[in-house]
Amino acid sequence: SQTIHQWPATLVQPVGSPLSLECTVEGTSNPNLYWYRQAAGRGLQLLFYSVGIGQISSEVPQNLSASRPQDRQFILSSKKLLLSDSGFYLCAWGGGNTEAFFGQGTRLTVV
Amino acid sequence: AQSVTQLDSHVSVSEGTPVLLRCNYSSSYSPSLFWYVQHPNKGLQLLLKYTSAATLVKGINGFEAEFKKSETSFHLTKPSAHMSDAAEYFCVVSDWGTGNQFYFGTGTSLTVIP
Repeated sequence: SQTIHQWPATLVQPVGSPLSLECTVEGTSNPNLYWYRQAAGRGLQLLFYSVGIGQISSEVPQNLSASRPQDRQFILSSKKLLLSDSGFYLCAWGGGNTEAFFGQGTRLTVV
Repeated sequence: AQSVTQLDSHVSVSEGTPVLLRCNYSSSYSPSLFWYVQHPNKGLQLLLKYTSAATLVKGINGFEAEFKKSETSFHLTKPSAHMSDAAEYFCVVSDWGTGNQFYFGTGTSLTVIP
């Protein structure tokens, strides 16, 4: 069966520090991969999605970047975090005519 | 363009009474529709999905939803609320004809009063 791993679960980082969140998928190949951010009391905002290795689409201009170095690995990064980057980050995968499967999320607090 | 509107940001029901969470969508193609539930600081769990089969879809935990194309709606219902149903609920549409993306509603927070 397919599983998705996302880590860390919680993270507190100072303003200006770098960020790296990792997501890996097991049990499927060539998945579509997604990074979402959920601000407090709000819905999910799509940040990036990828349909293949090295293929990244960005939905909104921002302080973050994403990379897909391997088929089942998706990384969310920032060189210098801002206070506004705080939020709950979710990785997901989906492929073909199927639903999205979500990781457990990372609670990022920028201080 | 695809979009999802969840008509209520907060819904409160008493335990044992029916639940109705409303969702309307717009889509250029035949969409797939989903309802997810999220408990605090957790990922999203799929409740049910519609993918052009039966219009009345049954999901987990006693939830069901009906796809009504004429009304562009996909409302989520449950006959009797349980305390454990208190959570955030998201309606989601995907349009594979325009790229493999998911479009989320802004969520409905369900409170269950004992």
